[in-house]
Amino acid sequence: SQTIHQWPATLVQPVGSPLSLECTVEGTSNPNLYWYRQAAGRGLQLLFYSVGIGQISSEVPQNLSASRPQDRQFILSSKKLLLSDSGFYLCAWSVGLGDTEAFFGQGTRLTVV
Amino acid sequence: AQSVTQLGSHVSVSEGALVLLRCNYSSSVPPYLFWYVQYPNQGLQLLLKYTTGATLVKGINGFEAEFKKSETSFHLTKPSAHMSDAAEYFCAVSDQDDYKLSFGAGTTVTVRA
Repeated sequence: SQTIHQWPATLVQPVGSPLSLECTVEGTSNPNLYWYRQAAGRGLQLLFYSVGIGQISSEVPQNLSASRPQDRQFILSSKKLLLSDSGFYLCAWSVGLGDTEAFFGQGTRLTVV
Repeated sequence: AQSVTQLGSHVSVSEGALVLLRCNYSSSVPPYLFWYVQYPNQGLQLLLKYTTGATLVKGINGFEAEFKKSETSFHLTKPSAHMSDAAEYFCAVSDQDDYKLSFGAGTTVTVRA
């Protein structure tokens, strides 16, 4: 069966510090991978998605970046965090085009102080 | 490009009462439509989806939704609310030839005893 792992679960970081959130998927090949951010009281905002190794599409210009060094690994990074980067970050995967279900990780609660 | 509007950020119902969550979408092509549920500090779980065929879709936990093309709507209902239904609900849309899933702002459901 397929599983998705996302860590850490919670993170408190000072303004200006770097960020690295990791997501890995097991049990499937060549998944589509996504990073979403959920800010307090707001919906889910798609940040990045990837349909293959090294292929990253950015939806929202900001100080975050994403990388896909392996087929089932998706990393969200920042060189210098801002207060506005606080939120709940969710990794997800799917297979195929738009008619398939997306499976979500448990999320990372990031607080920038 | 597609977008989703969820009417009402908060809905409060009595246990045993009807749950109705509203979702309207805009899409330039026939869409795929989804409802997801999120429990506190967790990822999202698929409730149901519409791709093609029957416009009344049944999902898990007694929920169902009806796709109405003329109204560009995909409202979610449950005849009798249970305390365990308290959660945040998201409507989402994707296009047939796209990898991206766009979410509404979410509706938080509270259930009164």
